[in-house]
Amino acid sequence: LAKTTQPISMDSYEGQEVNITCSHNNIATNDYITWYQQFPSQGPRFIIQGYKTKVTNEVASLFIPADRKSSTLSLPRVSLSDTAVYYCLVGPYRGVNFGNEKLTFGTGTRLTIIP
Amino acid sequence: ETGVTQSPTHLIKTRGQQVTLRCSSQSGHNTVSWYQQALGQGPQFIFQYYREEENGRGNFPPRFSGLQFPNYSSELNVNALELDDSALYLCASSSTTGTGWYFGPGTRLTVL
Repeated sequence: LAKTTQPISMDSYEGQEVNITCSHNNIATNDYITWYQQFPSQGPRFIIQGYKTKVTNEVASLFIPADRKSSTLSLPRVSLSDTAVYYCLVGPYRGVNFGNEKLTFGTGTRLTIIP
Repeated sequence: ETGVTQSPTHLIKTRGQQVTLRCSSQSGHNTVSWYQQALGQGPQFIFQYYREEENGRGNFPPRFSGLQFPNYSSELNVNALELDDSALYLCASSSTTGTGWYFGPGTRLTVL
């Protein structure tokens, strides 16, 4: 599975847009990019998933350039409740594989929202 | 629809002891995975069960074992506990329809 690199930590103020970039130079053709959020003493929670270009849902946007060697998770107008660790995962997590393949987590990005 | 639940929430054991952690899968899910998360690290895959059979295992020694029951609930057993086994143990369940993994809140194990 492709290795991912993310910043260890980030700080942002409430109300701002936060962008977390993940590098995955060795991404394979059948790999998808999936982001999870984890609050302290809780399990990770799925945020968003994409293959190329842009994906948007009610929580976040995911931007993936044409070469797919990186991706950016964008959180609009963050609040204190967005303080969490965010994980970028790369793997064949799509269709029936998303719930069959093991997930490979890195160390994630610890996002702290400042009032 | 109930989510993934785990018990107990916290547990303290001493070196050499054995521990059993429990997980109830989300309704309709027949696959369960267990992860170990050390402090400050991402979750690491231990093993996965599908229809009561282990069908995937990470880099963990045999003293980590598991069971999945006909109702798809699951257990993680760890024998001969070591200090490094102190971690948050996460259970995740899924279905074969590709709706993704749903994690429980975890069990915090402390080994003294």
